[in-house]
Order: sequence, then structure tokens, then C-alpha cells
Amino acid sequence: AQKITQTQPGMFVQEKEAVTLDCTYDTSDPSYGLFWYKQPSSGEMIFLIYQGSYDQQNATEGRYSLNFQKARKSANLVISASQLGDSAMYFCAMREGRTGGFKTIFGAGTRLFVKA
Amino acid sequence: ETGVTQTPRHLVMGMTNKKSLKCEQHLGHNAMYWYKQSAKKPLELMFVYNFKEQTENNSVPSRFSPECPNSSHLFLHLHTLQPEDSALYLCASSQGKDRRNTIYFGEGSWLTVV
Repeated sequence: AQKITQTQPGMFVQEKEAVTLDCTYDTSDPSYGLFWYKQPSSGEMIFLIYQGSYDQQNATEGRYSLNFQKARKSANLVISASQLGDSAMYFCAMREGRTGGFKTIFGAGTRLFVKA
Repeated sequence: ETGVTQTPRHLVMGMTNKKSLKCEQHLGHNAMYWYKQSAKKPLELMFVYNFKEQTENNSVPSRFSPECPNSSHLFLHLHTLQPEDSALYLCASSQGKDRRNTIYFGEGSWLTVV
């Protein structure tokens, strides 16, 4: 069963506007971590933001925030004030704390295009 | 300078060649990983080493041979590869396997098998 689902293969956003990238996950482990990564065309996977399953508040890192809805098992990434340099692939990932070992599971990704 | 460095960035090899990918992490982490990223496929975990000991091998063909001489260095030895092995190979490291331990990636090695 797919554990991380990113339903948007591609998204367009106007420069300076906000955009939300969707991510839903599936786990029976009560202890887990959720991650978002950015991958420019150069290939490097850049860590953006982390949310723990027990965290009471949504994580924020600069222009990135994570809209964590635990009951819905969703962890959407919100990018505010989009910039041209935000054009890239974005991956949602999960690590299960009790059962996952060293495995981090990645979604299929969403390609974001920022328009000038 | 990134915390995880990979060389070479690009590699073209024939099916009968032997080559190696190298990875070095400067983050003081204990665990190192090899991931494969093919077109239109999710990231696939290949191998995990923790304190130099292999802890994961996700049914990877024996033509891929990992080596981890210490916690800072990781190699992927390549031998008699197939064209379908052409992909981006990403090295990564983390402090451990706790759910809070972020995995940090290198810039990747683009491999083309001809």
C-alpha cells in the first residue's frame, strides 16, 4: 500500500503568490516524522521542513510552513511569496518511529513552476 | 559547501566497465544511505549503513556493491551494469534512525550506462 501520496504531478503559481502542495500519508505507527524536500534540476535533495507526529504546532521555516492535519493524515507544504527559484520538484517523506527502522518513504513528488 | 559530497557528479560507463561512486559526509552522522532515483519512479532505498555495518539491503542486484570503510565515507561499486541502471544515485546521511533524524542528501551522481 502506498504510504505517501502526492496527487499533484504539476503545479503552477504566479511569482509572489502563495502555493500549497498536497501530501497525505498512511501509517499505523503513532510515532512518525514528516519531511519535505526540494529537488532543483541539478539533482540535490534539499531538506526544507520537519513535522513530528506529536508536535502540537505546525512547523514553519522562513517562507515554508507545514499544514499538519493529523486526523486527516495530511501534511501539506505551504510556500508563501513564491520566487522564481522555487521552481523545482518537491517531495513529501515519512519516517515511522517504531516500525520504520532506517527507512524514509518518499512520495512521487510534485513539480512546481513559478511564473514571472 | 554541502554537508554531503558525492563524486563524480556525472558518469558514463559501458556495460562491461567497473566504476565506483564516492560519498563523504561532514556532518558527524552515524548512518549513511544510497538511494536510486529513476525517471518517473519514487526514490528507492538501496542500502543503509549504521556505524559502518550494513543494516538494509533492499534486494539490490549484486552488480551494485556498497562499501563503508568508516562512518564518513560510503562507496558504491558498479560492475556489469545494464542500461536500465541509468539513474540519479543519491547518497545521504543521518544521525540515526529516530523519526526526528533528518536525512541530508548529497548533490547526486548522474549515471548513464551505454
